Amino acid sequence: KAGVTQTPRYLIKTRGQQVTLSCSPISGHRSVSWYQQTPGQGLQFLFEYFSETQRNKGNFPGRFSGRQFSNSRSEMNVSTLELGDSALYLCASSSLAGGRSATDTQYFGPGTRLTVL
Amino acid sequence: AQSVTQLGSHVSVSEGALVLLRCNYSSSVPPYLFWYVQYPNQGLQLLLKYTTGATLVKGINGFEAEFKKSETSFHLTKPSAHMSDAAEYFCAVRYGGTSYGKLTFGQGTILTVHP
Repeated sequence: KAGVTQTPRYLIKTRGQQVTLSCSPISGHRSVSWYQQTPGQGLQFLFEYFSETQRNKGNFPGRFSGRQFSNSRSEMNVSTLELGDSALYLCASSSLAGGRSATDTQYFGPGTRLTVL
Repeated sequence: AQSVTQLGSHVSVSEGALVLLRCNYSSSVPPYLFWYVQYPNQGLQLLLKYTTGATLVKGINGFEAEFKKSETSFHLTKPSAHMSDAAEYFCAVRYGGTSYGKLTFGQGTILTVHP
């Protein structure tokens, strides 16, 4: 079974631009969560999508948004990029047998490394 | 507020020595607990998890962890370190209710293994 895939793997943008990152979950998984990883703040939860609906949101400004498509693929968008947005963005998908459960394992993709200049 | 504390941002051991990585959580209700490992330029890989039942949990690569409710701890151990264990390790907690999809992570512990 293919794992979680994220595209692109690397991105370089300049301040003020916007960026869209893509995540394809493991086949059959319906929940996708996004995390930001930085040396200073560590791993922080951005949001979770399930059945095309945002179910949870972390403490990030409105410049960070996402969506999920009917095939469970997800995208996240960051508008008006700031230097502090430079990070590794990780996507994780969960296997859901009939519903969402806190005991589900989240499987992570390799991440997209975003550099803002 | 729910939080996870990993004691020691860096741990160094010799090959063959015991590995002990510490994790404490702060919560009024028992959480679900996870340990992940991250190798350079890669995503996170699950080592093991505790949900319910037996408090001693065995994972991949010879790792295990014990959930101790009275100490609010979930320390990760491995009897004998290998060079290939060098990586960064993250403890994480997850709760039910409205927070299904959210993992709260500790700050991570970088494990160095010396020959």
